[in-house]
Amino acid sequence: EPEVTQTPSHQVTQMGQEVILRCVPISNHLYFYWYRQILGQKVEFLVSFYNNEISEKSEIFDDQFSVERPDGSNFTLKIRSTKLEDSAMYFCASSDPGTSTSTDTQYFGPGTRLTVL
Amino acid sequence: QKEVEQNSGPLSVPEGAIASLNCTYSDRGSQSFFWYRQYSGKSPELIMSIYSNGDKEDGRFTAQLNKASQYVSLLIRDSQPSDSATYLCAVINTDKLIFGTGTRLQVFP
Repeated sequence: EPEVTQTPSHQVTQMGQEVILRCVPISNHLYFYWYRQILGQKVEFLVSFYNNEISEKSEIFDDQFSVERPDGSNFTLKIRSTKLEDSAMYFCASSDPGTSTSTDTQYFGPGTRLTVL
Repeated sequence: QKEVEQNSGPLSVPEGAIASLNCTYSDRGSQSFFWYRQYSGKSPELIMSIYSNGDKEDGRFTAQLNKASQYVSLLIRDSQPSDSATYLCAVINTDKLIFGTGTRLQVFP
Protein backbone atom coordinates (compact mmCIF):
# COMPACT_ATOMS: atom_id res chain seq x y z
CA GLU A 1 0.00 0.00 0.00
CA PRO A 2 1.40 3.42 -0.94
CA GLU A 3 2.49 5.60 1.94
CA VAL A 4 3.99 8.98 2.72
CA THR A 5 7.64 8.79 3.75
CA GLN A 6 9.71 11.34 5.65
CA THR A 7 13.42 11.81 6.35
CA PRO A 8 15.14 12.10 8.67
CA SER A 9 13.19 10.48 11.47
CA HIS A 10 15.05 12.59 14.02
CA GLN A 11 16.97 15.82 13.50
CA VAL A 12 18.98 17.56 16.20
CA THR A 13 20.20 21.07 15.47
CA GLN A 14 21.61 24.12 17.21
CA MET A 15 19.48 27.22 17.59
CA GLY A 16 19.94 29.52 14.62
CA GLN A 17 20.81 26.75 12.19
CA GLU A 18 18.85 25.94 9.05
CA VAL A 19 17.10 22.60 8.72
CA ILE A 20 15.40 20.93 5.79
CA LEU A 21 12.79 18.26 6.41
CA ARG A 22 12.00 15.97 3.51
CA CYS A 23 8.85 14.19 2.47
CA VAL A 24 7.87 11.93 -0.38
CA PRO A 25 4.08 12.11 -0.76
CA ILE A 26 1.99 9.29 -2.18
CA SER A 27 2.82 9.24 -5.89
CA ASN A 28 -0.53 10.19 -7.46
CA HIS A 29 -1.44 12.76 -4.82
CA LEU A 30 -1.57 16.42 -5.77
CA TYR A 31 -2.13 18.22 -2.46
CA PHE A 32 0.64 18.36 0.13
CA TYR A 33 0.67 19.59 3.71
CA TRP A 34 2.92 20.17 6.67
CA TYR A 35 1.68 19.95 10.24
CA ARG A 36 3.52 20.08 13.50
CA GLN A 37 2.86 18.74 16.99
CA ILE A 38 4.65 20.14 19.99
CA LEU A 39 5.02 17.50 22.70
CA GLY A 40 1.75 17.08 24.59
CA GLN A 41 -0.17 19.47 22.33
CA LYS A 42 -2.52 19.15 19.39
CA VAL A 43 -1.56 18.67 15.77
CA GLU A 44 -1.38 22.11 14.10
CA PHE A 45 -1.58 23.02 10.44
CA LEU A 46 1.39 24.86 8.96
CA VAL A 47 0.94 25.03 5.20
CA SER A 48 -0.78 23.47 2.21
CA PHE A 49 0.69 23.27 -1.28
CA TYR A 50 -0.93 22.61 -4.64
CA ASN A 51 0.12 23.13 -8.23
CA ASN A 52 3.59 24.30 -7.18
CA GLU A 53 2.42 27.05 -4.91
CA ILE A 54 1.24 27.61 -1.35
CA SER A 55 -2.54 27.47 -1.19
CA GLU A 56 -2.87 28.31 2.50
CA LYS A 57 -0.59 28.93 5.47
CA SER A 58 -1.12 29.43 9.17
CA GLU A 59 0.20 32.28 11.29
CA ILE A 60 2.85 29.87 12.57
CA PHE A 61 4.27 29.69 9.04
CA ASP A 62 6.23 32.95 9.13
CA ASP A 63 9.16 34.15 7.03
CA GLN A 64 11.46 31.60 8.68
CA PHE A 65 9.57 28.79 6.97
CA SER A 66 9.46 27.85 3.31
CA VAL A 67 8.29 24.88 1.28
CA GLU A 68 9.43 23.56 -2.05
CA ARG A 69 8.75 20.74 -4.44
CA PRO A 70 12.19 20.51 -6.02
CA ASP A 71 11.36 17.55 -8.28
CA GLY A 72 8.46 15.26 -9.11
CA SER A 73 8.60 13.31 -5.88
CA ASN A 74 10.01 15.33 -2.97
CA PHE A 75 8.31 17.99 -0.86
CA THR A 76 10.48 19.88 1.61
CA LEU A 77 10.02 22.16 4.59
CA LYS A 78 12.88 24.52 5.37
CA ILE A 79 13.29 26.41 8.62
CA ARG A 80 15.88 29.12 8.04
CA SER A 81 16.98 29.96 11.57
CA THR A 82 15.64 27.52 14.12
CA LYS A 83 14.42 28.59 17.53
CA LEU A 84 14.02 26.52 20.68
CA GLU A 85 10.24 26.66 20.25
CA ASP A 86 10.50 24.98 16.83
CA SER A 87 11.19 21.69 18.63
CA ALA A 88 8.29 19.45 17.65
CA MET A 89 7.21 16.52 15.50
CA TYR A 90 6.71 17.64 11.92
CA PHE A 91 4.29 15.63 9.83
CA CYS A 92 3.90 15.69 6.09
CA ALA A 93 0.56 14.68 4.59
CA SER A 94 -0.87 14.30 1.13
CA SER A 95 -4.27 13.91 -0.46
CA ASP A 96 -5.65 12.98 -3.85
CA PRO A 97 -8.45 15.09 -5.31
CA GLY A 98 -9.22 12.49 -7.94
CA THR A 99 -10.63 9.59 -5.94
CA SER A 100 -14.28 8.76 -6.09
CA THR A 101 -14.61 8.26 -2.34
CA SER A 102 -13.09 11.41 -0.98
CA THR A 103 -11.29 14.44 -2.23
CA ASP A 104 -9.99 15.59 1.12
CA THR A 105 -8.73 12.57 3.03
CA GLN A 106 -5.18 13.28 4.14
CA TYR A 107 -2.62 10.56 4.79
CA PHE A 108 0.23 11.28 7.14
CA GLY A 109 3.88 10.33 7.03
CA PRO A 110 5.69 8.96 10.10
CA GLY A 111 7.05 12.37 11.07
CA THR A 112 10.38 13.99 11.78
CA ARG A 113 11.22 14.77 15.37
CA LEU A 114 13.08 18.09 15.40
CA THR A 115 15.07 18.95 18.49
CA VAL A 116 16.55 22.45 18.70
CA LEU A 117 19.27 22.89 21.34
CA GLN B 1 -11.36 30.79 15.53
CA LYS B 2 -12.63 27.42 14.38
CA GLU B 3 -12.37 24.86 17.16
CA VAL B 4 -12.66 21.14 17.66
CA GLU B 5 -13.23 20.01 21.22
CA GLN B 6 -12.58 16.64 22.77
CA ASN B 7 -12.38 15.34 26.31
CA SER B 8 -8.70 14.57 26.89
CA GLY B 9 -9.46 11.51 29.03
CA PRO B 10 -8.13 9.05 29.81
CA LEU B 11 -11.13 6.93 28.99
CA SER B 12 -10.61 3.52 30.55
CA VAL B 13 -12.65 0.54 29.35
CA PRO B 14 -12.27 -3.20 29.92
CA GLU B 15 -11.32 -5.48 27.06
CA GLY B 16 -14.38 -6.45 25.03
CA ALA B 17 -16.40 -3.37 25.99
CA ILE B 18 -17.60 -0.56 23.75
CA ALA B 19 -15.54 2.62 23.86
CA SER B 20 -17.38 5.83 23.02
CA LEU B 21 -15.38 8.88 21.98
CA ASN B 22 -16.98 12.26 21.43
CA CYS B 23 -16.11 15.46 19.62
CA THR B 24 -17.82 18.81 19.01
CA TYR B 25 -16.90 21.42 16.45
CA SER B 26 -17.65 25.12 16.18
CA ASP B 27 -17.92 25.74 12.42
CA ARG B 28 -21.48 24.96 11.37
CA GLY B 29 -20.41 24.96 7.72
CA SER B 30 -18.02 22.01 8.14
CA GLN B 31 -18.69 19.15 5.76
CA SER B 32 -15.90 16.61 6.27
CA PHE B 33 -14.99 14.87 9.50
CA PHE B 34 -12.25 12.42 10.35
CA TRP B 35 -11.10 10.17 13.14
CA TYR B 36 -7.39 9.44 13.42
CA ARG B 37 -5.62 7.17 15.86
CA GLN B 38 -2.23 8.20 17.23
CA TYR B 39 0.03 5.93 19.20
CA SER B 40 2.57 7.63 21.44
CA GLY B 41 5.41 9.10 19.39
CA LYS B 42 3.79 8.10 16.10
CA SER B 43 1.88 9.91 13.37
CA PRO B 44 -1.91 10.15 13.01
CA GLU B 45 -3.36 7.11 11.28
CA LEU B 46 -6.72 7.50 9.53
CA ILE B 47 -9.50 5.35 10.96
CA MET B 48 -12.61 6.76 9.33
CA SER B 49 -14.09 9.68 7.49
CA ILE B 50 -17.74 10.73 7.59
CA TYR B 51 -19.59 13.32 5.55
CA SER B 52 -23.33 12.69 6.03
CA ASN B 53 -25.55 12.70 9.09
CA GLY B 54 -26.03 9.28 10.63
CA ASP B 55 -23.82 6.29 11.21
CA LYS B 56 -20.98 4.84 9.18
CA GLU B 57 -19.59 1.44 10.11
CA ASP B 58 -16.22 -0.09 9.27
CA GLY B 59 -15.43 -3.31 11.08
CA ARG B 60 -15.37 -2.65 14.82
CA PHE B 61 -15.58 1.10 14.30
CA THR B 62 -18.72 3.21 13.89
CA ALA B 63 -18.61 6.94 13.29
CA GLN B 64 -21.69 9.00 14.03
CA LEU B 65 -22.35 12.51 12.76
CA ASN B 66 -25.01 14.98 13.83
CA LYS B 67 -24.53 18.27 11.99
CA ALA B 68 -27.44 19.98 13.75
CA SER B 69 -25.75 19.40 17.10
CA GLN B 70 -22.25 19.84 15.63
CA TYR B 71 -21.27 16.53 17.14
CA VAL B 72 -19.17 13.62 15.89
CA SER B 73 -18.54 10.40 17.77
CA LEU B 74 -16.58 7.19 17.34
CA LEU B 75 -17.66 3.87 18.81
CA ILE B 76 -15.19 1.04 19.10
CA ARG B 77 -16.83 -2.33 19.67
CA ASP B 78 -15.06 -5.28 21.30
CA SER B 79 -12.23 -3.01 22.47
CA GLN B 80 -8.79 -4.59 22.53
CA PRO B 81 -5.65 -3.58 24.47
CA SER B 82 -4.11 -2.75 21.08
CA ASP B 83 -6.77 -0.03 20.69
CA SER B 84 -5.10 1.88 23.53
CA ALA B 85 -4.03 5.13 21.88
CA THR B 86 -5.05 8.76 21.51
CA TYR B 87 -7.99 9.30 19.16
CA LEU B 88 -7.98 12.56 17.25
CA CYS B 89 -11.10 14.15 15.84
CA ALA B 90 -10.44 16.43 12.85
CA VAL B 91 -12.54 18.69 10.68
CA ILE B 92 -11.69 20.09 7.26
CA ASN B 93 -11.61 23.90 7.05
CA THR B 94 -10.88 25.11 3.49
CA ASP B 95 -8.27 22.44 2.71
CA LYS B 96 -6.61 22.08 6.10
CA LEU B 97 -7.40 19.76 8.99
CA ILE B 98 -8.32 21.29 12.33
CA PHE B 99 -7.59 18.78 15.07
CA GLY B 100 -8.91 18.40 18.56
CA THR B 101 -6.55 17.69 21.42
CA GLY B 102 -7.44 14.01 21.29
CA THR B 103 -8.93 11.55 23.78
CA ARG B 104 -6.61 9.03 25.34
CA LEU B 105 -8.18 5.57 25.42
CA GLN B 106 -6.92 2.85 27.74
CA VAL B 107 -8.24 -0.69 27.27
CA PHE B 108 -7.34 -2.93 30.17
CA PRO B 109 -7.35 -6.76 30.06
